[in-house]
Amino acid sequence: AQKVTQAQTEISVVEKEDVTLDCVYETRDTTYYLFWYKQPPSGELVFLIRRNSFDEQNEISGRYSWNFQKSTSSFNFTITASQVVDSAVYFCALSEGETSGSRLTFGEGTQLTVNP
Amino acid sequence: EPEVTQTPSHQVTQMGQEVILRCVPISNHLYFYWYRQILGQKVEFLVSFYNNEISEKSEIFDDQFSVERPDGSNFTLKIRSTKLEDSAMYFCASRTAWDSPWETQYFGPGTRLLVL
Repeated sequence: AQKVTQAQTEISVVEKEDVTLDCVYETRDTTYYLFWYKQPPSGELVFLIRRNSFDEQNEISGRYSWNFQKSTSSFNFTITASQVVDSAVYFCALSEGETSGSRLTFGEGTQLTVNP
Repeated sequence: EPEVTQTPSHQVTQMGQEVILRCVPISNHLYFYWYRQILGQKVEFLVSFYNNEISEKSEIFDDQFSVERPDGSNFTLKIRSTKLEDSAMYFCASRTAWDSPWETQYFGPGTRLLVL
């Protein structure tokens, strides 16, 4: 069965600090996708990134970067020079596709608070 | 930019009452989902829907739940006899083609359901 673990329940940083959110996943499939979603205080789920299991290249988008390592089953998310607006709950999610359709399995989420 | 919409944003109901949560998926999307998030917890998959039938459902989606696409635009979740533990945020999501089951799911803003 698929599982996503976000061991960091809460992280608090001061503005302009870099912060890394950890995500570890379990799957028996060889083909799968990983996602990060942001949930701001208003409650909606905002898609940030999707990465497939065959592409281990790191990705950078502005202040955001993602480090995917199959060897450790991790898909970590780094925010550089954090801002107050980054305060939100961040969810990592897994979709196996082959064995469990396209359902997303979410981690428990990490509450990030960026203080001014 | 197209987005998933949900109504109502909030609903309060008495235990045992029926509720219908409504969603309008993105217009060219073919696959629809319901997820729920109990306050402070992770997002959980309920059901996926394609071609006017359920594709997959979780163990949470028991006989008190049903889904329907009553017309070309709406997608509904009905809870027949609400229980206190149904209190949660309910998210609708949609995505494009079946050929790639890992296509990104885009989420609506959610309906917060409170059962008293």
